[in-house]
Amino acid sequence: DVKVTQSSRYLVKRTGEKVFLECVQDMDHENMFWYRQDPGLGLRLIYFSYDVKMKEKGDIPEGYSVSREKKERFSLILESASTNQTSMYLCASSLTPPNTEAFFGQGTRLTVV
Amino acid sequence: GIQVEQSPPDLILQEGANSTLRCNFSDSVNNLQWFHQNPWGQLINLFYIPSGTKQNGRLSATTVATERYSLLYISSSQTTDSGVYFCAVIKGWGAQKLVFGQGTRLTINP
Repeated sequence: DVKVTQSSRYLVKRTGEKVFLECVQDMDHENMFWYRQDPGLGLRLIYFSYDVKMKEKGDIPEGYSVSREKKERFSLILESASTNQTSMYLCASSLTPPNTEAFFGQGTRLTVV
Repeated sequence: GIQVEQSPPDLILQEGANSTLRCNFSDSVNNLQWFHQNPWGQLINLFYIPSGTKQNGRLSATTVATERYSLLYISSSQTTDSGVYFCAVIKGWGAQKLVFGQGTRLTINP
């Protein structure tokens, strides 16, 4: 079974802190994604990566950066956390076509105070 | 970009009832997935179904790609089926990003 693991299920950080959310997948998937989920706004793509050291902006990249130094690990970085980044963060991975089935981690509920 | 619409937004049923959730999409797609979000927030894969019909126990799904819709059927509902069901699609192979619908919140009462 594909396993996508996020480093924390719950996280509380202070405004202005630098925050790292880590995601690891064990199935040698090329693609990895970070989404955030907010009530009324659904799931929105922040960044994705289709290879090591490669990244592309999603729909809402402002205030975030990412790092992919190894194929299995994709990190989301909040350079200076703000209260409007309080959200549920979901990491996913998938293969390249033709089978692009995506698998998600358990999610990280981040609260910025 | 592609639009994904799910209906109904909310559905409340008694245990044992059957339900049908619908997903409409505005353009041709190469991938369609159904997920169930559990109470802890994790998205659980139900079906990867760009076209055709699949069944897994009490759940089945049908995607009619030419008419741009997919249906998720849940038979003999149980309280553990409660949660939010999402449909998500990938339009093309260039940018393999899932676009999500807004979800259907299903509540199964005992």
